Amino acid sequence: RKEVEQDPGPFNVPEGATVAFNCTYSNSASQSFFWYRQDCRKEPKLLMSVYSSGNEDGRFTAQLNRASQYISLLIRDSKLSDSATYLCVVIFSGGYNKLIFGAGTRLAVHP
Amino acid sequence: DTEVTQTPKHLVMGMTNKKSLKCEQHMGHRAMYWYKQKAKKPPELMFVYSYEKLSINESVPSRFSPECPNSSLLNLHLHALQPEDSALYLCASSRGQGATTYEQYFGPGTRLTVT
Repeated sequence: RKEVEQDPGPFNVPEGATVAFNCTYSNSASQSFFWYRQDCRKEPKLLMSVYSSGNEDGRFTAQLNRASQYISLLIRDSKLSDSATYLCVVIFSGGYNKLIFGAGTRLAVHP
Repeated sequence: DTEVTQTPKHLVMGMTNKKSLKCEQHMGHRAMYWYKQKAKKPPELMFVYSYEKLSINESVPSRFSPECPNSSLLNLHLHALQPEDSALYLCASSRGQGATTYEQYFGPGTRLTVT
């Protein structure tokens, strides 16, 4: 079983749609959680950290369910510029800040 | 400012060449990282420097040699590479590394082609 699993997609959605990505992780000692976005042939950019209480940044909402070892990202009112690959990233406790990446979920927003 | 810079942007090298990749950050971060990313795959960690000392080497072949001259700079020296080493090489930095986790910020990468 992979340490961090994501649905690879692609998710093809119209502008204005709401889309949700899910991610599961295998190590219950996981400590920190992030969503990064990566545009084609560019570097990963930190989108948001994910906290136990859930957190929101504009149109983006991240949730963490430690009991189910599950992280989600909700994007509301999708824009064309949201088209990218979204990487779920986990750091395991004692993992010396080593990022464990999921394979990424591709999002394509169309007009 | 969360900027990490990398040079060169692109590099083409033969299998007998020696070249270096450079990374710089001025955020006062004390941990720096090298990652390798192949097409349609997530980044894979290669090396971690913490307070200018190598703390993690993910069993990377010796043809890749990292160096951290000071807290702002990270180099990756390349020698006798193979075509399968062609990839995007990403540098990242974070405030620290250890029991407390810190967000990592990536540079734009160097796209390396080995011929």
